[in-house]
Amino acid sequence: EVQLVESGGDLVQPGGSLRLSCAASGFTFSSYEMNWVRQAPGKGLQWVSYISSSGSSIYYADSVKGRFTVSRDNAKNSLYLQMNSLRAEDTAVYYCARTIAAAGKRNDYWGQGTLVTVSS
Amino acid sequence: SYELTQPSSVSVSPGQTASITCSGDKLGDKYTCWYQQKPGQSPVLVIYQDTRRPSGIPERFSGSNSGNTATLTISGTQGMDEADYFCQAWDSSTDVVFGGGTKLTVL
Repeated sequence: EVQLVESGGDLVQPGGSLRLSCAASGFTFSSYEMNWVRQAPGKGLQWVSYISSSGSSIYYADSVKGRFTVSRDNAKNSLYLQMNSLRAEDTAVYYCARTIAAAGKRNDYWGQGTLVTVSS
Repeated sequence: SYELTQPSSVSVSPGQTASITCSGDKLGDKYTCWYQQKPGQSPVLVIYQDTRRPSGIPERFSGSNSGNTATLTISGTQGMDEADYFCQAWDSSTDVVFGGGTKLTVL
């Protein structure tokens, strides 16, 4: 059974940092691309970042570029999102999602999400 | 940047057909997928590659995509289908793009 479990969400002050983790199991993690997607309270889904299966290709949404860093450790079946210079507008539930890149891209499995709250 | 537009809400009576649209420039040239999200839960993929259903998704869910509009259709809508629905496409310049979401009410 495919499982994605996020952790690391917390209450942090503006300007602070946080590192999110996503533990994957039930599939060959090193064979799959991954995405981070966030959802602000009561709002829609927003793509945050993409990383290829090897980690060699990485993309970010303009809103987080230069502040967030995505990485992965295929030996540990884990995905990470380092978030620096956090702003109030980064407050959201952050999901990691397994990505299938064939005929477009789709996220076929999602974690349960971890809540990041940026507030003083 | 590429944008996808969805109606904020759609209402349907039980047993009837619900149609949720997603509009974007030349969207028919891209592959679209759809996610269902119920309150307090993570999104679930219900349609991918415009028309395909993942295993476990009921046959009443179907999709189409042509021109500038993709459509998610739910035939014989049930109360359990009440949820938010998000369309998603991939664009080479902006990577993954989501629509704003549509709240489906079954009443």
